[in-house]
Amino acid sequence: DGGITQSPKYLFRKEGQNVTLSCEQNLNHDAMYWYRQDPGQGLRLIYYSQIVNDFQKGDIAEGYSVSREKKESFPLTVTSAQKNPTAFYLCASSITGEGDTEAFFGQGTRLTVV
Amino acid sequence: AQSVTQPDIHITVSEGASLELRCNYSYGATPYLFWYVQSPGQGLQLLLKYFSGDTLVQGIKGFEAEFKRSQSSFNLRKPSVHWSDAAEYFCAVALLYNQGGKLIFGQGTELSVKP
Repeated sequence: DGGITQSPKYLFRKEGQNVTLSCEQNLNHDAMYWYRQDPGQGLRLIYYSQIVNDFQKGDIAEGYSVSREKKESFPLTVTSAQKNPTAFYLCASSITGEGDTEAFFGQGTRLTVV
Repeated sequence: AQSVTQPDIHITVSEGASLELRCNYSYGATPYLFWYVQSPGQGLQLLLKYFSGDTLVQGIKGFEAEFKRSQSSFNLRKPSVHWSDAAEYFCAVALLYNQGGKLIFGQGTELSVKP
């Protein structure tokens, strides 16, 4: 079955550590996105990529980094510069980055700072 | 600036009753609009979308939504709610014109269903 796989489902980070969240899709979609979800705030865009080897900052990119070396993969690194990383992170993809097709979402990764 | 507002943070309805979730958007061009549903701890599932054409769109699970340009609204409706509809619902608008198709989400409406 085609879809988006995020791993791990739960992740714990110590203060000062960098952690990487995995996102893989086998839908052959060009565009991929990372969103952060906090209670009562909806989803906010961290980074997005419309094509391999290219990505753009979203609304809350500070303290995060991404790479897009392969079409099917878009990992997100939460760095120690992110002061409040505890949140639910959702990866999404769409056929194009033109907005005229729906975005498909993964099941999310819950990151907790301990 | 583009924005999406869902005025109701939490709604409770009785099973079998009708439902309407409100969504208002602010966007300068013709919007592409979506409603997504999220169960606790899960990802988002698309309920329906509006791109153009008929302003009343049908979605999965018996949901429908009506696009009203004059009111900048895209309200979600269901004639008879089932207990399994309890979830959080998000309205979103896609940004076009070299903005990567990224989605701007409302704050979400949490739906509770009373037996």
